[in-house]
Amino acid sequence: DAGVTQSPTHLIKTRGQHVTLRCSPISGHKSVSWYQQVLGQGPQFIFQYYEKEERGRGNFPDRFSARQFPNYSSELNVNALLLGDSALYLCASSYTDRLMNTEAFFGQGTRLTVV
Amino acid sequence: ILNVEQSPQSLHVQEGDSTNFTCSFPSSNFYALHWYRWETAKSPEALFVMTLNGDEKKKGRISATLNTKEGYSYLYIKGSQPEDSATYLCAFPPYTGNQFYFGTGTSLTVIP
Repeated sequence: DAGVTQSPTHLIKTRGQHVTLRCSPISGHKSVSWYQQVLGQGPQFIFQYYEKEERGRGNFPDRFSARQFPNYSSELNVNALLLGDSALYLCASSYTDRLMNTEAFFGQGTRLTVV
Repeated sequence: ILNVEQSPQSLHVQEGDSTNFTCSFPSSNFYALHWYRWETAKSPEALFVMTLNGDEKKKGRISATLNTKEGYSYLYIKGSQPEDSATYLCAFPPYTGNQFYFGTGTSLTVIP
């Protein structure tokens, strides 16, 4: 079984540009979450989607948006890129939207560098 | 914002040594604590999901304990091997259950 897949693996963008990151969850998983990890910190929550609806949003500006498609894959979009958006973006999939007693599985991440 | 802390930040041990590290989390409204192992250039790998006070879980040489009343969990590695070198993250889902609050991780290096 394929795990969580993210594309692209690496990306270099210029300040002010827009970027789209993609995530395919494990087959059968209906929830996708996005996290940002900057060096020296733990991953920070950006969004959770479940059954194509937004179920949670972290403390990120409106430049960040996401959506989930009927096949449960997801896109994270970031507009007007800033240098501070340079980070590893992780996608996680889980069967349900409640993480109390269900495992979440992560992709390898997309490394975004903004220059 | 919930405070999840891990210590130490980094650790270097000799092959064969046993080691342990700590995750501290809010003790009120506890539902679960997740442990992940994250090797460089790989995906974070789920180790344990711990839900009950006094829980002890084991996977090979790695084990974890949970104290929800005082808000901490220990991860133990017995007889460390070079392949145990990784960052170990704990993740705490709040009452909404829809996200994780992560600690900053403990980076373990096992020296052959």
